Amino acid sequence: ETGVTQTPRHLVMGMTNKKSLKCEQHLGHNAMYWYKQSAKKPLELMFVYSLEERVENNSVPSRFSPECPNSSHLFLHLHTLQPEDSALYLCASSQDDVSDSGNTIYFGEGSWLTVV
Amino acid sequence: GQNIDQPTEMTATEGAIVQINCTYQTSGFNGLFWYQQHAGEAPTFLSYNVLDGLEEKGRFSSFLSRSKGYSYLLLKELQMKDSASYLCAVRMRGQTGANNLFFGTGTRLTVIP
Repeated sequence: ETGVTQTPRHLVMGMTNKKSLKCEQHLGHNAMYWYKQSAKKPLELMFVYSLEERVENNSVPSRFSPECPNSSHLFLHLHTLQPEDSALYLCASSQDDVSDSGNTIYFGEGSWLTVV
Repeated sequence: GQNIDQPTEMTATEGAIVQINCTYQTSGFNGLFWYQQHAGEAPTFLSYNVLDGLEEKGRFSSFLSRSKGYSYLLLKELQMKDSASYLCAVRMRGQTGANNLFFGTGTRLTVIP
């Protein structure tokens, strides 16, 4: 148990569906992240939220839409995805403090997404 | 941008020592992390280096040379349960001031009896 909970753990969706991934962190952190993990590729940083504001968007297609309603919750809304979007989507959180660079990022268990 | 390179796969024998190397080229360096990831599970934190030198934590040690853009993870007294992927990650402070963590492809370590 890392303190970061993701649901659902597994999701199969059609290309015309709309679904959402949910992440909740119980660590009191102020930054949350979405990463994508595909086979034989590095973990790809998708979005960063710091103090509930989106501070990074690494050229992610608009069919992925993040939402951070508060510092404990993060969503990834999915719409008209492609089969190549099938991957493990990992949520993470950290305490982002300018004065201390040693803060670890803690990951959730991930949501396995299959687009058919 | 950032380039983070590590070997794709390694095999080592139970009880032995293995060193997993990581090289990086990046701007705005703000620390290097090693994570362990078992198949189907979340990455878990192993070690953190921001200054040059060796950090030891039980059977695991991590080394950093910032001038060379080089780090290694050393695993001693290997156990079968150490079979996993080991991810090297470099933290950079982005233009907005947020700390971002960028990962290499990971090294899949197989420990054999």
